Amino acid sequence: DAGVIQSPRHEVTEMGQEVTLRCKPISGHNSLFWYRQTMMRGLELLIYFNNNVPIDDSGMPEDRFSAKMPNASFSTLKIQPSEPRDSAVYFCASSLWGTSYEQYFGPGTRLTVT
Amino acid sequence: AQRVTQPEKLLSVFKGAPVELKCNYSYSGSPELFWYVQYSRQRLQLLLRHISRESIKGFTADLNKGETSFHLKKPFAQEEDSAMYYCALSNAGGTSYGKLTFGQGTILTVHP
Repeated sequence: DAGVIQSPRHEVTEMGQEVTLRCKPISGHNSLFWYRQTMMRGLELLIYFNNNVPIDDSGMPEDRFSAKMPNASFSTLKIQPSEPRDSAVYFCASSLWGTSYEQYFGPGTRLTVT
Repeated sequence: AQRVTQPEKLLSVFKGAPVELKCNYSYSGSPELFWYVQYSRQRLQLLLRHISRESIKGFTADLNKGETSFHLKKPFAQEEDSAMYYCALSNAGGTSYGKLTFGQGTILTVHP
């Protein structure tokens, strides 16, 4: 397995634009997590899914953020409209809940909003 | 509510010196503790978990339930150990679906 795949790896956009980040979890995993990493706040959990169903989105900072998981092999995190303070590295992670609590992380998407 | 505290944001040691990264947690149930490591501009990867009781890259961590700590230790630090280290907690079982609570992270720098 190639591990958790995220795209794009880098995204530079202008304030006000829509940004969509993509994640493909490890095949067979049933939980998926979206995190944001900044120097100031460290690693923050934004939202997580189990069996494609959102379980807890209390970490999503504002209504500008939304996430979907239409099937077991794909998830998106959308920011609309984007703002400079959204600049961060966004990580996706997956795990096989019920068997292990280890989360496997993707390489991250480095987002810069100018 | 569960919480993980890493009191040191930055930690610097010299090569060959012992290193200890502190982690304290608060949780009323039966926790499972992890250490994750993130090398420069790379993805987070699992370093070790308390259940396995193994030593990875010379690092060990012992769960002390009395002190609610899970400190990471290495007797002789190497330059390649320089990285960000995160302590994380999961409530074994429950309905959290594998959610991890992470500490704020400690940046370890090992000087030559």
